[in-house]
Amino acid sequence: ETGVTQSPTHLIKTRGQQVTLRCSSQSGHNTVSWYQQALGQGPQFIFQYYREEENGRGNFPPRFSGLQFPNYSSELNVNALELDDSALYLCASSSPPGVNTEAFFGQGTRLTVV
Amino acid sequence: AQKVTQAQTEISVVEKEDVTLDCVYETRDTTYYLFWYKQPPSGELVFLIRRNSFDEQNEISGRYSWNFQKSTSSFNFTITASQVVDSAVYFCALRGNAGNMLTFGGGTRLMVKP
Repeated sequence: ETGVTQSPTHLIKTRGQQVTLRCSSQSGHNTVSWYQQALGQGPQFIFQYYREEENGRGNFPPRFSGLQFPNYSSELNVNALELDDSALYLCASSSPPGVNTEAFFGQGTRLTVV
Repeated sequence: AQKVTQAQTEISVVEKEDVTLDCVYETRDTTYYLFWYKQPPSGELVFLIRRNSFDEQNEISGRYSWNFQKSTSSFNFTITASQVVDSAVYFCALRGNAGNMLTFGGGTRLMVKP
């Protein structure tokens, strides 16, 4: 186990609703990244948080937003859910940007939008 | 822009066969990092290996080995004497010199039959 925990593990939402996903990073890691993995595809980078600020963002619209807390845990918020938002959302924790280490992933939250 | 291509979407082998998973990458960074992750049905991405662009030495870890060839921009992964427990989706990923964003390939689903 990596020590990265995500909640909830599964979630069903209706189109147009809002959702919040949570992630606790591995001990000693102060950087959290979020990825979206659609069925049958590789994970796509959403954004990264370091020192409670967004530190890089992928090609995702503003309705995808996040937070990082002083204990380095993080939230991913998605507003105005669309059917295409159905995916596995993965959180990864790592050392600060620029430090050459690997990212450790949680088990993911599987979001279904109906 | 960075890109990772895993041309093999699905591979099926019989237990004890050797199998090689291909990975080709594109990047303009002179320093970069390559990774392999394993994703079992549970969804969590399990880190297998990290390789720096300036270290082309091949690596062996038990039944796993990796062949990094900068001249062909490839970072292939071989499993020797495959086992049923090796069945999973395997992802190759690239990280550039700035930040901790990972660019993933589309993954290769490996099925090892008894």
